[in-house]
Amino acid sequence: DAKTTQPTSMDCAEGRAANLPCNHSTISGNEYVYWYRQIHSQGPQYIIHGLKNNETNEMASLIITEDRKSSTLILPHATLRDTAVYYCIVRVANYGQNFVFGPGTRLSVLP
Amino acid sequence: GAGVSQSPRYKVAKRGQDVALRCDPISGHVSLFWYQQALGQGPEFLTYFQNEAQLDKSGLPSDRFFAERPEGSVSTLKIQRTQQEDSAVYLCASSLEGGNEQFFGPGTRLTVL
Repeated sequence: DAKTTQPTSMDCAEGRAANLPCNHSTISGNEYVYWYRQIHSQGPQYIIHGLKNNETNEMASLIITEDRKSSTLILPHATLRDTAVYYCIVRVANYGQNFVFGPGTRLSVLP
Repeated sequence: GAGVSQSPRYKVAKRGQDVALRCDPISGHVSLFWYQQALGQGPEFLTYFQNEAQLDKSGLPSDRFFAERPEGSVSTLKIQRTQQEDSAVYLCASSLEGGNEQFFGPGTRLTVL
């Protein structure tokens, strides 16, 4: 699996949009971009994934650059409950394939 | 609906003891994964089951680690002769056949003294 690079930590004011970047310059054509988050003392939680088109669900939006070498996860109105470690992972769309987690970005939403 | 459950949530073992960690995946989920998460790090893959078949155990750190899923549902991760370096959170995840999303349990925090 291709590796990803994320900032170690970020802060965001409550109610503002949180934009979490991820670089994946060696991504292959058949690899998807996945985002998970892990709130303290819980297991990772799926947020969103995409191949090349931008995606949106009830939790977040995923913006993937045209060359697919980077992406941004957007939490439109961050709340204190969004404080967590956010993991950007690239992986083939194979349900038998494990995820390779990096250290992620620790997002702190501040009141 | 019920998610992935794991038990116990916390386990303290003396060095050299054997431990067994249980995972109850979401009903009907074919795939089951075990991950190990050291403090301050992301989860690391241990092993993967498709139904009762263990298709990948490349992440198991030593032969002291053993996992099984005999009936294709509940899985047990067993660690023999525990060492201090085994202290970590052990996470279980399951997914549907053909599903992209893995659903994680809350994990078992193992502390080896």
